[in-house]
Amino acid sequence: KQEVTQIPAALSVPEGENLVLNCSFTDSAIYNLQWFRQDPGKGLTSLLLIQSSQREQTSGRLNASLDKSSGRSTLYIAASQPGDSATYLCAVRPVSGANNLFFGTGTRLTVIP
Amino acid sequence: NAGVMQNPRHLVRRRGQEARLRCSPMKGHSHVYWYRQLPEEGLKFMVYLQKENIIDESGMPKERFSAEFPKEGPSILRIQQVVRGDSAAYFCASSLGVLEKFFGPGTRLTVL
Repeated sequence: KQEVTQIPAALSVPEGENLVLNCSFTDSAIYNLQWFRQDPGKGLTSLLLIQSSQREQTSGRLNASLDKSSGRSTLYIAASQPGDSATYLCAVRPVSGANNLFFGTGTRLTVIP
Repeated sequence: NAGVMQNPRHLVRRRGQEARLRCSPMKGHSHVYWYRQLPEEGLKFMVYLQKENIIDESGMPKERFSAEFPKEGPSILRIQQVVRGDSAAYFCASSLGVLEKFFGPGTRLTVL
């Protein structure tokens, strides 16, 4: 069964710092990996989706990488801002089985002004 | 194009009552998924539906929970005889085929 782990569980950084969030998964047979942002009491906003054949995706200050063979993904946030404070979730869609996602428990990011 | 809509956003029920959660997918999306997020836990898959069909309900509790996605109207997640352990945020997502999933704002269920 696919297990998704995110480290660290919480992270505080001063504004302007670059930072990396980590995600690891136990079964490398994935179809894609998606990074989400969740604000307190709110839904999930999709940030980046990486297909299994891709190595990375970029959107603005965000860059996500995927190393499928080692079961790892990173989300890099450049020049962090207080508005980036949220919980960041990664989720993988396995190749086998139905069309669902396995989520990590998230990294709670606080950017201090 | 409105995103995924869920209602109600907050729902309070007493033990033993029924809870009905509704989800309207994004326009043109025929795939709907329900996930549950228990306090301090990650989102867990519950059920995957296409119009009038349940494709995968491997994450659904065996009793009291049911889901449907009728030909017309929203998808409904129904919880009968709710218990305190059902208190959670329930998220619906939709997709166009097997592509990227888009999530709704969630329904936060509190069972007193």
